Amino acid sequence: QQQVKQSPQSLIVQKGGISIINCAYENTAFDYFPWYQQFPGKGPALLIAIRPDVSEKKEGRFTISFNKSAKQFSLHIMDSQPGDSATYFCAASIQGAQKLVFGQGTRLTINP
Amino acid sequence: SAVISQKPSRDICQRGTSLTIQCQVDSQVTMMFWYRQQPGQSLTLIATANQGSEATYESGFVIDKFPISRPNLTFSTLTVSNMSPEDSSIYLCSARPGGGTGELFFGEGSRLTVL
Repeated sequence: QQQVKQSPQSLIVQKGGISIINCAYENTAFDYFPWYQQFPGKGPALLIAIRPDVSEKKEGRFTISFNKSAKQFSLHIMDSQPGDSATYFCAASIQGAQKLVFGQGTRLTINP
Repeated sequence: SAVISQKPSRDICQRGTSLTIQCQVDSQVTMMFWYRQQPGQSLTLIATANQGSEATYESGFVIDKFPISRPNLTFSTLTVSNMSPEDSSIYLCSARPGGGTGELFFGEGSRLTVL
């Protein structure tokens, strides 16, 4: 119930392509869904987040698509760049609970 | 925003010893969180450090193994006690300055290797 399942585990995309990472959850009480980006040797940093009252949120090249009925959400990186090469984590939390449950992570490599 | 500093950034420890990790936040926060990230793996919450009260531990983590202190609103420590090679991991401190479900900020982590 508290798990967030993320796929794929690793992803290789050509420069300029679209990177897509998917997450699924079971607990319908989750109401906050962030994506974190982590570079080697660094802590995770918030990339973009969404709440279930909207189906899509876009910030620059990064878009979250949210499907409440399917209990799935995904991260789309448009015009992927080598600098986007990092590990991406989806997460979920229940408002007021404050603690995040993280997905397993996706190692993204953008080939030049 | 918040800047979170952790010390040490990395250490190599002997089996059976204990190590204390320090976490300093540049602003006052209600809750601080300690996560563990095993090599190439996801983040698992160890405990929530509450100022003025006992830490709240997640399932599978106990106070005797991971004692936590929270003396004020900007500082916390996590001790990894009686270490074994299975404790080799990155330990991350985090905080949410805005409270509620605002952005969670992370330190850069403390990478521990237990021989």
